[in-house]
Amino acid sequence: RKEVEQDPGPFNVPEGATVAFNCTYSNSASQSFFWYRQDCRKEPKLLMSVYSSGNEDGRFTAQLNRASQYISLLIRDSKLSDSATYLCVVNRGGATNKLIFGTGTLLAVQP
Amino acid sequence: DGGITQSPKYLFRKEGQNVTLSCEQNLNHDAMYWYRQDPGQGLRLIYYSQIVNDFQKGDIAEGYSVSREKKESFPLTVTSAQKNPTAFYLCASSILRVGVNTEAFFGQGTRLTVV
Repeated sequence: RKEVEQDPGPFNVPEGATVAFNCTYSNSASQSFFWYRQDCRKEPKLLMSVYSSGNEDGRFTAQLNRASQYISLLIRDSKLSDSATYLCVVNRGGATNKLIFGTGTLLAVQP
Repeated sequence: DGGITQSPKYLFRKEGQNVTLSCEQNLNHDAMYWYRQDPGQGLRLIYYSQIVNDFQKGDIAEGYSVSREKKESFPLTVTSAQKNPTAFYLCASSILRVGVNTEAFFGQGTRLTVV
């Protein structure tokens, strides 16, 4: 079993739709969590950190459930420009600051 | 502007050759990382370093070597022992602070192709 697991998709949604991605992690000692966005043939860029209380940034909402060891990302009112791969990232914790990446979920927003 | 720079952007290597990928950052970050990404796959950790003159193997270190002689620089050498080196290589850096969300910042990547 992979340490961080995501549904690879693709998720094909129309503009304006709401879409949700889930990610599960196996290491209960994991300390911090992130969602990154990666455009085709580009480097990953931080979309948002994920906090225990949940956090929102415009159309994007991230949630963390430590008991069930999953994080989620909700995108409301999808735009064509949201089309990308979304990577779930978990910091293993301790002093190593070692980031473990999921394989990513591909989102394609259709006009 | 602060950032992390990888060079070259594209690199072609003949079989049996060693090649070195450059990674430089001026963000004053302690931690630096090398990841490999293959088509349709996630990022896999090759090596990471938390301090000058020290580095640790990641999940797929075989066939690779690194050095960390300066805080700003973390070059990766892909040796001839790496059986399948064609991939997208990403360097990242982050601050090192226990218990705090410390995201990684990435360079633009190097696409290595064995010809």
